[in-house]
Amino acid sequence: ETGVTQSPTHLIKTRGQQVTLRCSSQSGHNTVSWYQQALGQGPQFIFQYYREEENGRGNFPPRFSGLQFPNYSSELNVNALELDDSALYLCASSAGVERELFFGEGSRLTVL
Amino acid sequence: AQKVTQAQTEISVVEKEDVTLDCVYETRDTTYYLFWYKQPPSGELVFLIRRNSFDEQNEISGRYSWNFQKSTSSFNFTITASQVVDSAVYFCALSGRQGGSEKLVFGKGTKLTVNP
Repeated sequence: ETGVTQSPTHLIKTRGQQVTLRCSSQSGHNTVSWYQQALGQGPQFIFQYYREEENGRGNFPPRFSGLQFPNYSSELNVNALELDDSALYLCASSAGVERELFFGEGSRLTVL
Repeated sequence: AQKVTQAQTEISVVEKEDVTLDCVYETRDTTYYLFWYKQPPSGELVFLIRRNSFDEQNEISGRYSWNFQKSTSSFNFTITASQVVDSAVYFCALSGRQGGSEKLVFGKGTKLTVNP
C-alpha cells in the first residue's frame, strides 16, 4: 500500500511568484487536506477536498487555492508569494471526511 | 473557538526514563476528537492515537499510554522506558464537526530528546 506522496520535497521561490505543490493520496482515500507548518509551530489547516469539492477552509487568503482530481490526487496553488509563506506544506489523506489523517513528508517552500 | 496548548516546548530525558507530554484543550463542541501525532526529522506526521469525547478510558499501546480527563480538558501522553528512537516533536490535536470537515487544530508541539 502506497502512502501519501508529495512533490517537490524542497523548492525556493522569490516574492511575487506562484507555486504549485502536488499530493498523491493513499490508496483508497478520497479526502485530501492541506496544512501549513511554519518553523517551530504546529500545522495550520488550509483546506480540505472531498470528492473533488472543497469541503472546509481555514483562515487563509484566496491566493491559496487547490484542486482535487478524479483519482483523488490534489494540488495546492499559492499566488503572489510572500516571505511569510515560507513553511512546510503537508498533505494528508483520509478514507472519509471524519476519518484519521495520514500525512506525507511535506514540501518545504522557501520564499526569498 | 478551539485551542490546544502544549506548555512544554522542549523536554530532554535520558534513555529508559518515563516522560509525560501534556496537552490541554479548549472547545465548545460536545462531540470532538483528540489526537497525538509524532513528527520525526523527516517531517511526516505519524498518527499515534485518536480518542472521541465520549470515551474517557485510558489507553495503553506498548510503551505508550494516554490519559484523557474531560474534567480538566487534558489528554496527556506518557512514554514508558523511553528510547532514543522516541526523539521527535509530538503534537496534540483537536477536531470537531465544523462544517463536516475534520479540520485539526494542533498545539505548537513538544520537542522530545532522548539521550543515550
